[in-house]
Amino acid sequence: QKEVEQNSGPLSVPEGAIASLNCTYSDRGSQSFFWYRQYSGKSPELIMSIYSNGDKEDGRFTAQLNKASQYVSLLIRDSQPSDSATYLCAVRGSGTYKYIFGTGTRLKVLA
Amino acid sequence: GAGVSQSPRYKVAKRGQDVALRCDPISGHVSLFWYQQALGQGPEFLTYFQNEAQLDKSGLPSDRFFAERPEGSVSTLKIQRTQQEDSAVYLCATDRGGGTDTQYFGPGTRLTVL
Repeated sequence: QKEVEQNSGPLSVPEGAIASLNCTYSDRGSQSFFWYRQYSGKSPELIMSIYSNGDKEDGRFTAQLNKASQYVSLLIRDSQPSDSATYLCAVRGSGTYKYIFGTGTRLKVLA
Repeated sequence: GAGVSQSPRYKVAKRGQDVALRCDPISGHVSLFWYQQALGQGPEFLTYFQNEAQLDKSGLPSDRFFAERPEGSVSTLKIQRTQQEDSAVYLCATDRGGGTDTQYFGPGTRLTVL
């Protein structure tokens, strides 16, 4: 079992819809959770971080964390074609500097 | 500079050659990470520096890989006797440290080993 798992996609959604991206992790001791966006040929950029159970909203993005289920998700409201990218989930365990990334989910927003 | 810079951006090496990849962090950033990203995969952790101290090198795939950050600023990742499986994008990321979790990635070095 991979430490951080994501569906590779592609996930296709129409413009204006909600895109829902999911991630599961295996280390119950993980404390910090991150979503990165990576455009093709570019490097990852941080979208959101979340540390506590529940929802965290930032503009059109909402991150959701459920530690009991070892599940993190990212919702993108009012999806735009410019949101088309690969979304990487990353997890950091307690007492470690190491970030573990998933393989990413490719999102396509259709105009 | 304003962001993390890496050089060279592209490197082609013949199998068996040694290569050195450079990372210039954002000024004042304490933490520095190296990652390896294969095509279609997420970044894979290689090593972590806090200032000049290499605190975690558990991700380095073999003793052919070596990283240093002697003055706590610029870092170099060296790969000796390159193999075809070393072909990947090598990413450097830095953050301010002190518990901040915002990593800023450089543009990466694409290494191709023939």
